[in-house]
Amino acid sequence: DIVMTQSPDSLPVSLGERATINCRSSQSLISTSDNLSYLGWYQQKPGQPPKLLIFGASDRESGVPDRFSGSGSGTDFTLTISSLQAEDVAVYYCQQYHSIPPTFGQGTKVEIK
Amino acid sequence: QVHLRESGPGLVKPSETLSLTCTVSGASISDYHWSWIRQPAGKGLEWIGHIYGSGNTNYNSSLKSRLTMSADTSKNQLFLRLTFVTAADTAMYFCARGRGTWSWYEWAHWGQGILVTVSS
Repeated sequence: DIVMTQSPDSLPVSLGERATINCRSSQSLISTSDNLSYLGWYQQKPGQPPKLLIFGASDRESGVPDRFSGSGSGTDFTLTISSLQAEDVAVYYCQQYHSIPPTFGQGTKVEIK
Repeated sequence: QVHLRESGPGLVKPSETLSLTCTVSGASISDYHWSWIRQPAGKGLEWIGHIYGSGNTNYNSSLKSRLTMSADTSKNQLFLRLTFVTAADTAMYFCARGRGTWSWYEWAHWGQGILVTVSS
């Protein structure tokens, strides 16, 4: 199975400041068929299911604010929240879907400093 | 607007069988890929398995020997059956769907989940 490792585990950020979450995979997530990285980012708030923010490492899902952006390819990826809002407090997960089974990182808890 | 709703018993005894239903509205289950995913309280997410079309499945190898996923297209329902449960199977169970008909594991649509506790 592909192991996904996120850093940090916890991220205190002041309102309006940038939040950066890293994700590393144990194998490359680049598909040989289309050269895309099969990596997604999810946001989960307490008592709610995860919400897909980013797919294909950098494509924003419909309706997701543009302060959320994804970057990276191969084995190293980043989720950036350009200006943290109060409603962004949540746990964020990266997820690979390059290989079966799809696997998640352990999560990064973003909170207000 | 697609809507997913998980249902089933919230309490299952050890060594017994966990059976859950995911009722889908707003989309035909025949046209999409569907997954079950679980999350123990305060912990991370684990993919359980995937079903598509007439019943093609992929299972997480860690659960494969105990797991059956099926579907009833006439009722637009998905089913999960996990046998010989232990406390380690206590979790919130979600059903989820991909972004589009081509999408296997980009889960854009989720149910609210159902909490299943394994306890005597």
